Amino acid sequence: DAMVIQNPRYQVTQFGKPVTLSCSQTLNHNVMYWYQQKSSQAPKLLFHYYDKDFNNEADTPDNFQSRRPNTSFCFLDIRSPGLGDAAMYLCATSRGVLNTEAFFGQGTRLTVV
Amino acid sequence: AQSVTQLDSQVPVFEEAPVELRCNYSSSVSVYLFWYVQYPNQGLQLLLKYLSGSTLVKGINGFEAEFNKSQTSFHLRKPSVHISDTAEYFCAVSGSNQGAQKLVFGQGTRLTINP
Repeated sequence: DAMVIQNPRYQVTQFGKPVTLSCSQTLNHNVMYWYQQKSSQAPKLLFHYYDKDFNNEADTPDNFQSRRPNTSFCFLDIRSPGLGDAAMYLCATSRGVLNTEAFFGQGTRLTVV
Repeated sequence: AQSVTQLDSQVPVFEEAPVELRCNYSSSVSVYLFWYVQYPNQGLQLLLKYLSGSTLVKGINGFEAEFNKSQTSFHLRKPSVHISDTAEYFCAVSGSNQGAQKLVFGQGTRLTINP
C-alpha cells in the first residue's frame, strides 16, 4: 500500500500560471519534506515541516511556498512557474529529523509550457 | 555542513558481475549515511543506512555498504547484479546533531546492467 502519495504524477502548467502539487501520507509522520529534482541531478531540499513548524532552505526562491493544513497533507505552491521550474518534485516524510528513514512518494513531474 | 561526492556518474556492468558504487562524504560532525535507489519516473527507495555500530551494513536486494571513517567513505557493493538493478543510486548524509540534520544527496550514479 502506498504510504506517501503525490498527485498528480504529471502536471503541465503554463508559464506564470500558479500551480499546486499535493502530497498525503498514511504514516502519521511528524516531518514532511519537499525536494526539487532536475534532470540527472540530485534531489534538492526546498523546505520541510516539523509538525506545524515550517523550515525554509536559504536558497529556496520566494516563488515556492508550502502549506501543511494537517498531519496528513502538505502542498507545494509555485506562484509563477518559469521554464526553469520544470522538474520532478518529490515529497518525503520521516518520523523525526535525526537518523530516521525518509519515505518518498512517486513524485510529480512538472512541465512548464 | 555536510557534503557528498559520488565519484562515478555512470557505471556499466555485465549481468551477474560484481559492482561497487563509490561515495565519499565530508562533515564536521558525526554523520548518518544512506543509500537510496531511484527507478525511472519513481521516487527514492531506501536501500540501507548506517547510523552506528557495525561498519558493514546490509540492505535490500542483496546490497551492502561499508562505513570507513578514516577514508570518509560509504561505498555500495553487490556481488552479482541483475538486469533489474538498473537504476539511479544516490548516497546521502545527514549530521547527527540538532541543526545539522538535513539530508544531503550526492549527484547520483546511474547503474546500467548489460546482458
